[in-house]
Amino acid sequence: GNSVTQMEGPVTLSEEAFLTINCTYTATGYPSLFWYVQYPGEGLQLLLKATKADDKGSNKGFEATYRKETTSFHLEKGSVQVSDSAVYFCALSVPNQGGKLIFGQGTELSVKP
Amino acid sequence: EAQVTQNPRYLITVTGKKLTVTCSQNMNHEYMSWYRQDPGLGLRQIYYSMNVEVTDKGDVPEGYKVSRKEKRNFPLILESPSPNQTSLYFCASSSGQGINEQYFGPGTRLTVT
Repeated sequence: GNSVTQMEGPVTLSEEAFLTINCTYTATGYPSLFWYVQYPGEGLQLLLKATKADDKGSNKGFEATYRKETTSFHLEKGSVQVSDSAVYFCALSVPNQGGKLIFGQGTELSVKP
Repeated sequence: EAQVTQNPRYLITVTGKKLTVTCSQNMNHEYMSWYRQDPGLGLRQIYYSMNVEVTDKGDVPEGYKVSRKEKRNFPLILESPSPNQTSLYFCASSSGQGINEQYFGPGTRLTVT
């Protein structure tokens, strides 16, 4: 079946450190891949997306590349800020399944000043 | 402002007492969905709707009902809530399938005692 696996959290970093959150997936067909972010007390917001192999999604200094050969979509940011503290979800959507998103378990990021 | 609204935001109830969580979107989206979020499990889809009067089960539909009588509204109904339905619930909408961004509501935290 279709599934998403993320690295476990929580992840604690100092401000300006480099961030990587690993995400791998299993899917039939050709999924679209997403990263969503959830700030404390809020709903999920789309952070970035990629719809085909080798696409790179980017937003707010975050980026992730759709790697079909390794079935991965790792999230990276070169220099994190305290305001990046949130829970990050990797997700996939498979065509012809009503747009359903399949989420990883989420990774909590805490950035300290 | 484009948004998905949910009510109530917080609800504490007792086992067996029927409740409804409302969801409304103002973006004229065709696709709407309900998810529940539980620690270590990410978000899991409960039900979805691809248009008015068209609904279908997601991955965890047991104990829930939905209806889609109007395009903008997609209420979630718990006819006889049980403690294992204590969770954080999110409604989402999008204009179509797959690569289209899903917009999430702010969440409803439900506790069933």
